[in-house]
Amino acid sequence: GAVVSQHPSWVICKSGTSVKIECRSLDFQATTMFWYRQFPKQSLMLMATSNEGSKATYEQGVEKDKFLINHASLTLSTLTVTSAHPEDSSFYICSANNVRDRGWYEQYFGPGTRLTVT
Amino acid sequence: AQTVTQSQPEMSVQEAETVTLSCTYDTSESNYYLFWYKQPPSRQMILVIRQEAYKQQNATENRFSVNFQKAAKSFSLKISDSQLGDTAMYFCAFMKHLNDMRFGAGTRLTVKP
Repeated sequence: GAVVSQHPSWVICKSGTSVKIECRSLDFQATTMFWYRQFPKQSLMLMATSNEGSKATYEQGVEKDKFLINHASLTLSTLTVTSAHPEDSSFYICSANNVRDRGWYEQYFGPGTRLTVT
Repeated sequence: AQTVTQSQPEMSVQEAETVTLSCTYDTSESNYYLFWYKQPPSRQMILVIRQEAYKQQNATENRFSVNFQKAAKSFSLKISDSQLGDTAMYFCAFMKHLNDMRFGAGTRLTVKP
């Protein structure tokens, strides 16, 4: 159980266009989802926290108008990179919280989406 | 703000040997969780082991164990009987209760045959 999927796994887009990445919790409901960005050979950096039915909370330095996050249901969060530029090329990973029987909030990670902007 | 430090960018170990990866963190919180994640070339994050801060007993999962020193804010990972499949990036992570996860810079582990 506790599977998180991401779609697409790899996307190439032209500079100036927008691209949407989906994150789904397949077998559990996630009240909170997180979006991370990982550059090559670097660690995961939190971009934003997405709560179902409310506005996302962005980390300092992350442009909320550029990285639009929507968490319309308990199983789906989307990240839209608007007016993408080559410097937005990166690996984007989402994770979702799953309340476990002992009250654990454990995060389950999606497989990631590789974005290449040409 | 919480910070997580992994001071070993790269490590290597011979197959079947034991290796320890270091992690320190800084926090003023008393209730938190610590994790070690493995990221193989596929880049899928895989949970290796977790520790609840209020538990004094060190967590173990088969060949993986931790040395949790709360006062020293240290959380090292020991991998026993290393296997070729253990080759990966390893990230130490900190999470406050009901909050987001913060990662260290990672340690690239290579298991040599």
